[in-house]
Amino acid sequence: AQSVAQPEDQVNVAEGNPLTVKCTYSVSGNPYLFWYVQYPNRGLQFLLKYITGDNLVKGSYGFEAEFNKSQTSFHLKKPSALVSDSALYFCAVRDDQAGTALIFGKGTTLSVSS
Amino acid sequence: KAGVTQTPRYLIKTRGQQVTLSCSPISGHRSVSWYQQTPGQGLQFLFEYFSETQRNKGNFPGRFSGRQFSNSRSEMNVSTLELGDSALYLCASSLEGYGAYEQYFGPGTRLTVT
Repeated sequence: AQSVAQPEDQVNVAEGNPLTVKCTYSVSGNPYLFWYVQYPNRGLQFLLKYITGDNLVKGSYGFEAEFNKSQTSFHLKKPSALVSDSALYFCAVRDDQAGTALIFGKGTTLSVSS
Repeated sequence: KAGVTQTPRYLIKTRGQQVTLSCSPISGHRSVSWYQQTPGQGLQFLFEYFSETQRNKGNFPGRFSGRQFSNSRSEMNVSTLELGDSALYLCASSLEGYGAYEQYFGPGTRLTVT
Protein backbone atom coordinates (compact mmCIF):
# COMPACT_ATOMS: atom_id res chain seq x y z
CA ALA A 1 0.00 0.00 0.00
CA GLN A 2 1.09 3.53 -0.70
CA SER A 3 1.80 5.89 2.17
CA VAL A 4 3.40 9.23 2.92
CA ALA A 5 4.82 10.38 6.23
CA GLN A 6 5.55 13.92 7.27
CA PRO A 7 7.22 13.42 10.65
CA GLU A 8 6.94 17.02 11.83
CA ASP A 9 3.59 18.64 12.58
CA GLN A 10 5.25 22.04 12.72
CA VAL A 11 8.52 23.59 11.61
CA ASN A 12 9.63 26.94 12.96
CA VAL A 13 12.31 29.00 11.26
CA ALA A 14 13.49 32.59 11.34
CA GLU A 15 13.17 34.73 8.24
CA GLY A 16 16.28 34.53 6.10
CA ASN A 17 17.28 31.11 7.40
CA PRO A 18 17.11 27.94 5.31
CA LEU A 19 14.12 25.69 5.79
CA THR A 20 13.50 21.98 5.35
CA VAL A 21 10.17 20.18 5.50
CA LYS A 22 10.58 16.42 5.62
CA CYS A 23 8.70 13.73 3.72
CA THR A 24 9.17 9.99 3.35
CA TYR A 25 7.08 7.69 1.20
CA SER A 26 6.30 4.07 0.50
CA VAL A 27 5.09 2.71 -2.86
CA SER A 28 5.28 -0.58 -4.69
CA GLY A 29 6.21 0.79 -8.08
CA ASN A 30 8.00 3.95 -9.11
CA PRO A 31 6.95 7.09 -7.25
CA TYR A 32 5.67 10.31 -8.64
CA LEU A 33 6.19 12.85 -5.86
CA PHE A 34 4.59 16.24 -5.34
CA TRP A 35 4.62 19.12 -2.91
CA TYR A 36 1.63 21.37 -2.36
CA VAL A 37 1.05 24.38 -0.14
CA GLN A 38 -2.23 25.45 1.42
CA TYR A 39 -2.98 28.90 2.76
CA PRO A 40 -5.91 29.44 5.17
CA ASN A 41 -9.31 28.95 3.56
CA ARG A 42 -7.74 28.15 0.22
CA GLY A 43 -7.25 25.07 -1.92
CA LEU A 44 -3.91 23.41 -2.50
CA GLN A 45 -1.33 25.13 -4.67
CA PHE A 46 1.16 23.02 -6.65
CA LEU A 47 4.81 23.75 -5.85
CA LEU A 48 6.89 21.10 -7.60
CA LYS A 49 7.13 17.47 -8.65
CA TYR A 50 9.63 14.69 -9.13
CA ILE A 51 9.04 12.22 -11.91
CA THR A 52 12.46 11.06 -13.03
CA GLY A 53 15.88 12.48 -13.73
CA ASP A 54 17.78 14.88 -11.50
CA ASN A 55 17.30 14.25 -7.83
CA LEU A 56 17.08 17.98 -7.11
CA VAL A 57 13.97 19.56 -8.55
CA LYS A 58 13.17 23.25 -8.53
CA GLY A 59 9.71 24.69 -8.20
CA SER A 60 7.73 27.83 -7.57
CA TYR A 61 8.65 30.66 -5.20
CA GLY A 62 12.25 29.52 -4.74
CA PHE A 63 11.36 26.09 -3.35
CA GLU A 64 13.25 22.96 -4.29
CA ALA A 65 13.10 19.35 -3.22
CA GLU A 66 15.62 16.56 -3.06
CA PHE A 67 14.65 13.03 -4.01
CA ASN A 68 16.56 10.25 -2.29
CA LYS A 69 15.63 6.79 -3.53
CA SER A 70 17.62 4.82 -0.95
CA GLN A 71 16.04 6.74 1.92
CA THR A 72 12.65 6.97 0.17
CA SER A 73 12.57 10.66 1.01
CA PHE A 74 11.54 13.82 -0.78
CA HIS A 75 12.36 16.76 1.48
CA LEU A 76 11.24 20.28 0.59
CA LYS A 77 13.85 23.01 0.97
CA LYS A 78 14.33 26.73 0.54
CA PRO A 79 17.63 28.55 1.03
CA SER A 80 16.12 31.67 2.62
CA ALA A 81 12.68 31.63 4.25
CA LEU A 82 10.17 34.47 4.01
CA VAL A 83 7.41 35.31 6.47
CA SER A 84 4.99 34.87 3.58
CA ASP A 85 6.07 31.21 3.29
CA SER A 86 4.15 30.50 6.49
CA ALA A 87 1.49 27.97 5.50
CA LEU A 88 0.53 24.30 5.56
CA TYR A 89 2.66 22.06 3.33
CA PHE A 90 1.63 18.69 1.98
CA CYS A 91 3.75 15.99 0.41
CA ALA A 92 1.94 13.60 -1.93
CA VAL A 93 2.82 10.47 -3.88
CA ARG A 94 1.32 8.56 -6.75
CA ASP A 95 2.46 5.02 -7.52
CA ASP A 96 2.91 4.55 -11.25
CA GLN A 97 1.45 1.05 -10.87
CA ALA A 98 -1.55 1.93 -8.76
CA GLY A 99 -3.85 4.35 -10.48
CA THR A 100 -4.56 8.01 -10.33
CA ALA A 101 -5.10 8.87 -6.68
CA LEU A 102 -2.70 11.14 -4.86
CA ILE A 103 -1.84 9.92 -1.37
CA PHE A 104 -1.11 12.82 0.94
CA GLY A 105 0.86 13.17 4.12
CA LYS A 106 -0.80 14.74 7.15
CA GLY A 107 0.79 18.09 6.44
CA THR A 108 3.43 20.24 8.12
CA THR A 109 2.73 23.75 9.33
CA LEU A 110 5.61 26.04 8.50
CA SER A 111 5.92 29.14 10.68
CA VAL A 112 8.46 31.77 9.66
CA SER A 113 9.15 34.48 12.22
CA SER A 114 10.45 37.94 11.42
CA LYS B 1 -6.23 30.25 -18.13
CA ALA B 2 -8.85 30.29 -15.46
CA GLY B 3 -8.21 27.94 -12.57
CA VAL B 4 -10.40 25.22 -11.16
CA THR B 5 -13.67 26.63 -9.88
CA GLN B 6 -15.97 25.07 -7.33
CA THR B 7 -19.48 26.03 -6.35
CA PRO B 8 -20.82 26.73 -3.88
CA ARG B 9 -17.97 27.78 -1.63
CA TYR B 10 -19.92 27.22 1.57
CA LEU B 11 -22.86 25.01 2.42
CA ILE B 12 -24.78 24.27 5.59
CA LYS B 13 -26.99 21.19 5.54
CA THR B 14 -28.94 19.18 8.03
CA ARG B 15 -28.26 15.55 8.84
CA GLY B 16 -30.17 13.26 6.49
CA GLN B 17 -30.28 15.71 3.59
CA GLN B 18 -28.36 15.34 0.38
CA VAL B 19 -25.98 17.77 -1.30
CA THR B 20 -24.48 18.30 -4.74
CA LEU B 21 -21.16 20.04 -5.28
CA SER B 22 -19.92 21.29 -8.63
CA CYS B 23 -16.47 21.57 -10.16
CA SER B 24 -15.30 23.16 -13.41
CA PRO B 25 -11.79 22.06 -14.39
CA ILE B 26 -9.11 24.04 -16.12
CA SER B 27 -9.84 24.31 -19.82
CA GLY B 28 -8.39 21.31 -21.64
CA HIS B 29 -8.06 19.16 -18.55
CA ARG B 30 -9.86 15.85 -18.91
CA SER B 31 -9.31 14.31 -15.50
CA VAL B 32 -11.18 15.48 -12.41
CA SER B 33 -10.52 14.11 -8.94
CA TRP B 34 -12.30 14.78 -5.67
CA TYR B 35 -10.78 14.80 -2.20
CA GLN B 36 -12.16 15.23 1.29
CA GLN B 37 -10.13 17.21 3.82
CA THR B 38 -10.84 16.97 7.53
CA PRO B 39 -8.70 17.84 10.57
CA GLY B 40 -8.75 14.24 11.77
CA GLN B 41 -8.26 12.26 8.56
CA GLY B 42 -6.40 14.80 6.47
CA LEU B 43 -6.75 14.66 2.69
CA GLN B 44 -8.46 11.55 1.39
CA PHE B 45 -9.15 10.57 -2.21
CA LEU B 46 -12.81 10.12 -3.12
CA PHE B 47 -12.85 9.34 -6.84
CA GLU B 48 -11.51 10.30 -10.24
CA TYR B 49 -13.34 10.80 -13.51
CA PHE B 50 -11.94 10.80 -17.02
CA SER B 51 -14.00 11.09 -20.20
CA GLU B 52 -17.23 10.78 -18.21
CA THR B 53 -16.12 7.49 -16.63
CA GLN B 54 -15.16 6.83 -13.05
CA ARG B 55 -11.64 5.42 -13.28
CA ASN B 56 -10.66 5.18 -9.67
CA LYS B 57 -12.48 5.20 -6.35
CA GLY B 58 -11.34 5.68 -2.78
CA ASN B 59 -12.57 3.99 0.34
CA PHE B 60 -15.80 5.88 0.95
CA PRO B 61 -19.35 4.57 1.38
CA GLY B 62 -21.78 4.45 -1.50
CA ARG B 63 -23.47 7.61 -0.21
CA PHE B 64 -20.68 9.45 -2.00
CA SER B 65 -21.09 9.50 -5.74
CA GLY B 66 -20.08 11.60 -8.68
CA ARG B 67 -20.31 12.10 -12.36
CA GLN B 68 -18.58 13.92 -15.17
CA PHE B 69 -20.16 15.63 -18.12
CA SER B 70 -18.98 15.79 -21.72
CA ASN B 71 -17.40 19.21 -21.11
CA SER B 72 -15.35 17.67 -18.25
CA ARG B 73 -17.30 19.50 -15.56
CA SER B 74 -17.95 17.26 -12.59
CA GLU B 75 -20.39 16.99 -9.74
CA MET B 76 -20.26 15.01 -6.56
CA ASN B 77 -23.27 14.06 -4.50
CA VAL B 78 -23.51 13.02 -0.89
CA SER B 79 -26.80 11.48 0.19
CA THR B 80 -28.14 10.98 3.69
CA LEU B 81 -25.67 13.38 5.20
CA GLU B 82 -24.00 12.53 8.49
CA LEU B 83 -22.28 14.86 10.94
CA GLY B 84 -18.96 13.28 9.99
CA ASP B 85 -19.37 14.44 6.41
CA SER B 86 -18.54 17.98 7.50
CA ALA B 87 -15.36 18.75 5.62
CA LEU B 88 -13.66 20.77 2.93
CA TYR B 89 -14.28 19.06 -0.41
CA LEU B 90 -11.59 19.74 -2.96
CA CYS B 91 -11.76 19.19 -6.66
CA ALA B 92 -8.61 18.85 -8.73
CA SER B 93 -8.07 18.68 -12.46
CA SER B 94 -5.18 17.50 -14.60
CA LEU B 95 -4.48 16.91 -18.24
CA GLU B 96 -4.38 13.19 -17.73
CA GLY B 97 -4.93 11.52 -14.40
CA TYR B 98 -2.24 8.87 -14.84
CA GLY B 99 1.42 9.48 -15.09
CA ALA B 100 3.41 12.54 -14.37
CA TYR B 101 0.76 15.19 -14.60
CA GLU B 102 0.23 17.33 -11.55
CA GLN B 103 -3.24 18.06 -10.26
CA TYR B 104 -4.48 21.61 -9.85
CA PHE B 105 -6.90 22.23 -7.03
CA GLY B 106 -9.89 24.46 -6.68
CA PRO B 107 -10.61 26.53 -3.56
CA GLY B 108 -12.92 23.89 -2.16
CA THR B 109 -16.47 23.72 -0.87
CA ARG B 110 -16.81 23.92 2.89
CA LEU B 111 -19.69 21.65 3.91
CA THR B 112 -21.09 21.87 7.41
CA VAL B 113 -23.62 19.27 8.50
CA THR B 114 -25.71 20.13 11.56
